[in-house]
Order: sequence, then structure tokens, then C-alpha cells
Amino acid sequence: DARVTQTPRHKVTEMGQEVTMRCQPILGHNTVFWYRQTMMQGLELLAYFRNRAPLDDSGMPKDRFSAEMPDATLATLKIQPSEPRDSAVYFCASGSGQGFYGYTFGSGTRLTVV
Amino acid sequence: DQQVKQNSPSLSVQEGRISILNCDYTNSMFDYFLWYKKYPAEGPTFLISISSIKDKNEDGRFTVFLNKSAKHLSLHIVPSQPGDSAVYFCAARRFGNEKLTFGTGTRLTIIP
Repeated sequence: DARVTQTPRHKVTEMGQEVTMRCQPILGHNTVFWYRQTMMQGLELLAYFRNRAPLDDSGMPKDRFSAEMPDATLATLKIQPSEPRDSAVYFCASGSGQGFYGYTFGSGTRLTVV
Repeated sequence: DQQVKQNSPSLSVQEGRISILNCDYTNSMFDYFLWYKKYPAEGPTFLISISSIKDKNEDGRFTVFLNKSAKHLSLHIVPSQPGDSAVYFCAARRFGNEKLTFGTGTRLTIIP
């Protein structure tokens, strides 16, 4: 049963600390997305990659967020420094082709910044 | 600028009855629409989709209707079952673009 794996599942950190979230996409999927779920905005796209190349990160606050794919099996999302308003659930999703059958989401990382 | 809107944050339906979830969009460039279902502490899972060249797509108990002139789509679940209780997200995509734009979700509760 292929799945997208995200770590950690939960993270509590103090304001100002660096946070790194990791995602292992499904083997063979060439498109990877980072979404953030908030009550007011629903699921917001932060960044996405195709074949490990960043295609769009316009949804990310550039001064504190960064997203990378060091290799095909790992995507990372970093926040430095973290702020209380970053508290949310962060989802990674992967897919192939045009996603006509939807993309597969991981279970998310619930981030709390105090 | 919320391009995909789900104006009902919640909906309660009696088991066995029809559930109708609604979604409106503003961007006329969207040509492909999807519904996702999300249980607590899990990621969203793909449910059903529809291309703009169609006005209806069925998959078992789930049917999605698209009204392009009104920029409106709806998801019908018949009959509703307790396991359908979840948050449902509507999403849309532009031709040639892999990005999905999501709505804010509707929490569906099926009452036994």
C-alpha cells in the first residue's frame, strides 16, 4: 500500500526556533506539493516540485520558509525563525502526470509554535 | 482572494438520506475539479473528479455535478452512511497546471 510519509507527526517548538518537516513521496511520483491547512484559508499551497525542481513557491513567506528536494525520496520544509502564526497542519502530497486521479496526501505534521 | 469557496462550514444529514455539498469558484480558467475527503488526524484522500467538458460524473454512491455557467459544482452522496462523516474539500485546477486550489472545507456529519 503506497503512501506518503511525513515526519514528525507533531511538533511543539518555541518562537524563534528552526523547524524542519520531512516528506517521503511515493516511489515513482514526480510531483511533490507542500500545503498548509488553516481554519480560515483551508488548504493553502506553499510550494511544489516536479522532478525535484521547484516550480512554484509563491505561497510561502520567503523570508522564513524554504522548501527543498535533496533527492527523489525526500522533500523538506523549513521554517526559520518560527512564529506563533505558523501553527497549522502541514501536508505533503505527491503525484504523477496531471493528477487526474488526485494526488496522495501524507498524514500531516501538526506544528504548534508557542 | 478565495477562488474556490465552500460557503457551508458544516452540514448534518440523517443516515440514508442524500447529502449535498456545494462549491463555487470564480476563476473561469479552471477546467478540472476534484473532491477530497478528510478524516481527523489523516491527510485528505481523493474521492471523485470531473472535467469541464462534462456536467456529471458518478462513482457508486458519489456523484459530482458541474454547472459551468454558474461556476458551481456539487457533490451528492446517496445514501449517506455514518462513515461519510468527514470534512469534504472541493479543489480546482487550471489546464496544464498541476496546482490544486482548495476551498475551506465542509464538515459533514451523518446522524444515525
